[in-house]
Amino acid sequence: DTAVSQTPKYLVTQMGNDKSIKCEQNLGHDTMYWYKQDSKKFLKIMFSYNNKELIINETVPNRFSPKSPDKAHLNLHINSLELGDSAVYFCASSQVQGLSPLHFGNGTRLTVT
Amino acid sequence: DAKTTQPNSMESNEEEPVHLPCNHSTISGTDYIHWYRQLPSQGPEYVIHGLTSNVNNRMASLAIAEDRKSSTLILHRATLRDAAVYYCIPSPNYGGSQGNLIFGKGTKLSVKP
Repeated sequence: DTAVSQTPKYLVTQMGNDKSIKCEQNLGHDTMYWYKQDSKKFLKIMFSYNNKELIINETVPNRFSPKSPDKAHLNLHINSLELGDSAVYFCASSQVQGLSPLHFGNGTRLTVT
Repeated sequence: DAKTTQPNSMESNEEEPVHLPCNHSTISGTDYIHWYRQLPSQGPEYVIHGLTSNVNNRMASLAIAEDRKSSTLILHRATLRDAAVYYCIPSPNYGGSQGNLIFGKGTKLSVKP
């Protein structure tokens, strides 16, 4: 069973559209994250979220919004897509208690044309 | 955040040991040293972490210098599956989780048969 799964794996869309990426974890973890990996392969955190707190990286445009219907899911909504949003987006999860490592999904490659 | 220096790339032969170095001279006294790796077309994968003492697990060993300004990830017998980008990440223990890790460029390890 996949621990952290993302859908879709590939997403091609046009500028100005609104899209969502879904993430689910079956590890029972408390906290979920979204990371963005750009064309230069730098991996940067966008959000971390548990049922108590949403922490937003201040560099993330407000067109990006995480939505969590329950503890096992953290979806990423992106409004008014721009060319610069093209990247691979990774979802991750971890347990808050103890020094818990991050478990990553296999990414969603978003291409904005 | 502590700055890290890793070789851009390294090569190894299959079945031989690999020593991946990392300099983190500005590490704070409470930062843990985390290692993750990213296989092609996959999300990052936790490898190992440590604070002061050398650490071993089923994937690798972590040797930490006495002054903690550098560390070395040791793969005892490289396999083709170990070809990946390896990230060394000093990071404080945020509330018990490894969230908000800052990934640098890492070292791209190639393994030759």
